[in-house]
Amino acid sequence: AQTVTQSQPEMSVQEAETVTLSCTYDTSESNYYLFWYKQPPSRQMILVIRQEAYKQQNATENRFSVNFQKAAKSFSLKISDSQLGDTAMYFCAFIPGTYKYIFGTGTRLKVLA
Amino acid sequence: GAGVSQSPSNKVTEKGKDVELRCDPISGHTALYWYRQSLGQGLEFLIYFQGNSAPDKSGLPSDRFSAERTGGSVSTLTIQRTQQEDSAVYLCASSLGTSNLYEQYFGPGTRLTVT
Repeated sequence: AQTVTQSQPEMSVQEAETVTLSCTYDTSESNYYLFWYKQPPSRQMILVIRQEAYKQQNATENRFSVNFQKAAKSFSLKISDSQLGDTAMYFCAFIPGTYKYIFGTGTRLKVLA
Repeated sequence: GAGVSQSPSNKVTEKGKDVELRCDPISGHTALYWYRQSLGQGLEFLIYFQGNSAPDKSGLPSDRFSAERTGGSVSTLTIQRTQQEDSAVYLCASSLGTSNLYEQYFGPGTRLTVT
């Protein structure tokens, strides 16, 4: 079965600090794409960062970066210099085939002032 | 340009009634997807369209659920004889194609509450 596991249902971090959200997945595919999505209270799913499995270099987008460990099937998200606007639900997802996202159950992140 | 839009934003219905949820994808996006997000759960794939065809309906939970897409654009998800377990947020997404090269853009969802 192809699954995504996010083991931290809730996390909090002080403003300006760094936080890491964990994600593991399971697939027999060799090539796939991994994603982190942010879902604020507005419900709008926003793509935070994307990683192609065949690329060894970890993706970065401004304050957001990932630690991709393909052998361990791990894909964690690091948020640096956390801001109040980062408060949201964060979903890890991957596409093992051509189109169907497999999502984790999410981590609710609260940034504290 | 405009993003994916969904209507209604919220829908409260009585058990046993039928509901229709609408999705307007981004113009030019040939692929359209429906997902369901239940409380405390991740997003669950329901169905996808390539043009007006639905090659994969494997995620539809029962025969009370159906979806159609017309003109390669607007899609409607219909739930017949709604049950309380149908209460969830229904999200629609669209993309330029169905290759995993293409990012899926999500709408704001419809929150369905069945009383």
